[in-house]
Amino acid sequence: NAGVTQTPKFQVLKTGQSMTLQCAQDMNHEYMSWYRQDPGMGLRLIHYSVGAGITDQGEVPNGYNVSRSTTEDFPLRLLSAAPSQTSVYFCASSSRTSGSGREQYFGPGTRLTVT
Amino acid sequence: GNSVTQMEGPVTLSEEAFLTINCTYTATGYPSLFWYVQYPGEGLQLLLKATKADDKGSNKGFEATYRKETTSFHLEKGSVQVSDSAVYFCALSGSTGFQKLVFGTGTRLLVSP
Repeated sequence: NAGVTQTPKFQVLKTGQSMTLQCAQDMNHEYMSWYRQDPGMGLRLIHYSVGAGITDQGEVPNGYNVSRSTTEDFPLRLLSAAPSQTSVYFCASSSRTSGSGREQYFGPGTRLTVT
Repeated sequence: GNSVTQMEGPVTLSEEAFLTINCTYTATGYPSLFWYVQYPGEGLQLLLKATKADDKGSNKGFEATYRKETTSFHLEKGSVQVSDSAVYFCALSGSTGFQKLVFGTGTRLLVSP
């Protein structure tokens, strides 16, 4: 069981470039989400998905796109990178059937720098 | 909206000292409360949780009690170890649907031998 995996671990982009951060989970979880972590701000929700084909916006969605074609994968696309998107990105998944107090399982993160 | 406030760090302690990290929250309804821990270079892991008032979550010697009257969920440990050095996040979620997590800003704990 690999849990939640993310690639790449590190990435440097120039302003205006696009890229996709990959996220996969092997726990058959229905729910998946993307967070960004910035110093002094905790983690903030970018986008989330409650199942294949269903996505919704979180707290800070501007500049990012997501899609969910399979249960396992939830890629995050940066359309035109900006320095304000320099951050550490975490993918997480959880099971719909866990009831209240649902635990989210986090990947190891992708550290992105936009110059 | 929902929010979480936790004490700023870093918190610097000697091994075997007592730890308290304060966390208070603002929320509508009956949220679930969590403490997540992030070790250097890793993602977040659930440390403990509580889903209703007066519940006590505990794990690895850490404890926190859900206090609705003071809207608090303070993290405590009686005797910290060097291996407890990490960043600790307090968080809350709603109790239905997707249960989006709302995080505090995190508190870095540094434990010296």
